Amino acid sequence: AQSVTQLGSHVSVSEGALVLLRCNYSSSVPPYLFWYVQYPNQGLQLLLKYTSAATLVKGINGFEAEFKKSETSFHLTKPSAHMSDAAEYFCAVGRDDKIIFGKGTRLHILP
Amino acid sequence: GAVVSQHPSRVICKSGTSVKIECRSLDFQATTMFWYRQFPKQSLMLMATSNEGSKATYEQGVEKDKFLINHASLTLSTLTVTSAHPEDSSFYICSARAHEFRITEAFFGQGTRLTVV
Repeated sequence: AQSVTQLGSHVSVSEGALVLLRCNYSSSVPPYLFWYVQYPNQGLQLLLKYTSAATLVKGINGFEAEFKKSETSFHLTKPSAHMSDAAEYFCAVGRDDKIIFGKGTRLHILP
Repeated sequence: GAVVSQHPSRVICKSGTSVKIECRSLDFQATTMFWYRQFPKQSLMLMATSNEGSKATYEQGVEKDKFLINHASLTLSTLTVTSAHPEDSSFYICSARAHEFRITEAFFGQGTRLTVV
């Protein structure tokens, strides 16, 4: 069954530093993959999604993710962190016409 | 993207009462809706999938008599938490997609914070 594993439940980076949030998927075929962001007491906002059209996916707010089949990874990056990026980030996979979420990574931005 | 509206955003109810949460697709016909539950500081767990006009399909471990899902129209699905108890307190989020779209085009509501006292 397809699933995703997010490495690190908490990640802290300094403002202006590179953001790297890790996600690995398990699938025998290229899946649909997503990154969502959730601010406290709010719903989900789609950052970006991979649908096999291009391996490097650009999303909103300066985020991007690269699909690497050889590593079964779909890590999320942003060149320069802003304080406003502090939130919970979820990697997710499309499976059997459903979206299944990873456990999430809390991103902390240090001033 | 399309808009999915959830109501209410917050609700407090007494133990033993029932609470209804609405999920509406505002600008498209949602043939499929999904209901998720999120415990504090945890991930979203899929509870059930509902197709318009059909009975909902519940995930393993979800009590169908406890969490009643109705998807009577192409723009509205409701989740009713029956005989609520404090352990039902959680954040509930719905998601909707149209028939012609793949799962990549599912849109999420803003969630409902349920507190049972």
